[in-house]
Amino acid sequence: QSALTQPASVSGSPGQSITISCTGTSSDVGGYNYVSWYQQHPGKAPKLMIYDVSNRPSGVSNRFSGSKSGNTASLTISGLQAEDEADYYCSSYTSSSTSVVFGGGTKLTVL
Amino acid sequence: EVQLVESGGGLVKPGGSLRLSCAASGFTFSSYSMNWVRQAPGKGLEWVSSISSSSSYIYYADSVKGRFTISRDNAKNSLYLQMNSLRAEDTAVYYCARDLAVAGTSYYFDYWGQGTLVTVSS
Repeated sequence: QSALTQPASVSGSPGQSITISCTGTSSDVGGYNYVSWYQQHPGKAPKLMIYDVSNRPSGVSNRFSGSKSGNTASLTISGLQAEDEADYYCSSYTSSSTSVVFGGGTKLTVL
Repeated sequence: EVQLVESGGGLVKPGGSLRLSCAASGFTFSSYSMNWVRQAPGKGLEWVSSISSSSSYIYYADSVKGRFTISRDNAKNSLYLQMNSLRAEDTAVYYCARDLAVAGTSYYFDYWGQGTLVTVSS
């Protein structure tokens, strides 16, 4: 299974908004709405931030939002805060092997 | 409180075997699909395997198919991963993760353990 494509890094200043892209194919991101996003701080387990493209689990700040267009999904974080500095991974169901595929991860730096 | 606690990691030689365990508590274990996800040192996440609540449906990543076996014991609230013919590229932190959906599969992981490190080296 090929990984989904994410930028290696993004950065922004406190209060700003940033967007992380996640590009797949029609067999995964483009073909299904089973897209999710995870946040991972160093040395910690990942945390589910977005599922079903744009839904937030209970307890996740509404500063986090998700969307999808064609084969590309996006995570937008508004009102950046220092605590948002972390690695972010997208994920999608893939029909190519009836499983889950992750993106390579994006390191978010809050300047 | 939902808790997932992995154990069984360690140092093993190439070609060797290891069995990971994940003890679950704080929820009705038998109602959820469960998964193993790994992360090589300094690398991204890789889904490894999933098992449905009743063990009826089991899936593996191509990279581990034929070498790893996932199983569960609902009476003991435990998830397992038997890893055989281990390779250097299997070196990773292995996370146990719960599926978001009750009595189904959502392909999302809402609770994760702290992970257990598996190192394959001679």
